[in-house]
Amino acid sequence: AAGVIQSPRHLIKEKRETATLKCYPIPRHDTVYWYQQGPGQDPQFLISFYEKMQSDKGSIPDRFSAQQFSDYHSELNMSSLELGDSALYFCASSLSLLPSEAFFGQGTRLTVV
Amino acid sequence: GESVGLHLPTLSVQEGDNSIINCAYSNSASDYFIWYKQESGKGPQFIIDIRSNMDKRQGQRVTVLLNKTVKHLSLQIAATQPGDSAVYFCAEAIQGAQKLVFGQGTRLTINP
Repeated sequence: AAGVIQSPRHLIKEKRETATLKCYPIPRHDTVYWYQQGPGQDPQFLISFYEKMQSDKGSIPDRFSAQQFSDYHSELNMSSLELGDSALYFCASSLSLLPSEAFFGQGTRLTVV
Repeated sequence: GESVGLHLPTLSVQEGDNSIINCAYSNSASDYFIWYKQESGKGPQFIIDIRSNMDKRQGQRVTVLLNKTVKHLSLQIAATQPGDSAVYFCAEAIQGAQKLVFGQGTRLTINP
């Protein structure tokens, strides 16, 4: 069965650079969620989209922005990267705003040096 | 505010024994509680969930218990196997909020 696809799997950036993370949801899923997981930490909700509109927002820095496109894939754009942004970034998808039924991708490991 | 946490950050059990992982939550408005398993370098994997109007739910080798009186959630894994080694997270979903609130994970290690 198709799963949530995230790219790239690994990314190394320097401070103050920009990064773009991509998420391709499970086919027919219309909702995507982004989570950030620091080393040894639990996943923290960043933002979610339903039918290409932002549906909820968590602890996402102003330096970050995200959107969901017409094909339902989503991109997380991160600017002015800081060392503290180094983390695993997970995307999850679900059908119709049901976070309890979301499936997670394998994540993108971002390292800021 | 919302918070979901775990009592123990690490748990070590003998292979074949039962494992019990605990979680405390503070938001009584949650509708769903979910347990996830996360292996190294992978995303959280759904194990089992329970609605807030239930107190017990069983799956294959796993049982989740919910005690709303003391706001406590537990995951029981029967006959723990080496493949159960992972970090386990509880999470809660609140109706109307399009997100999951995760608790601190518990690392489960299996001794041969």
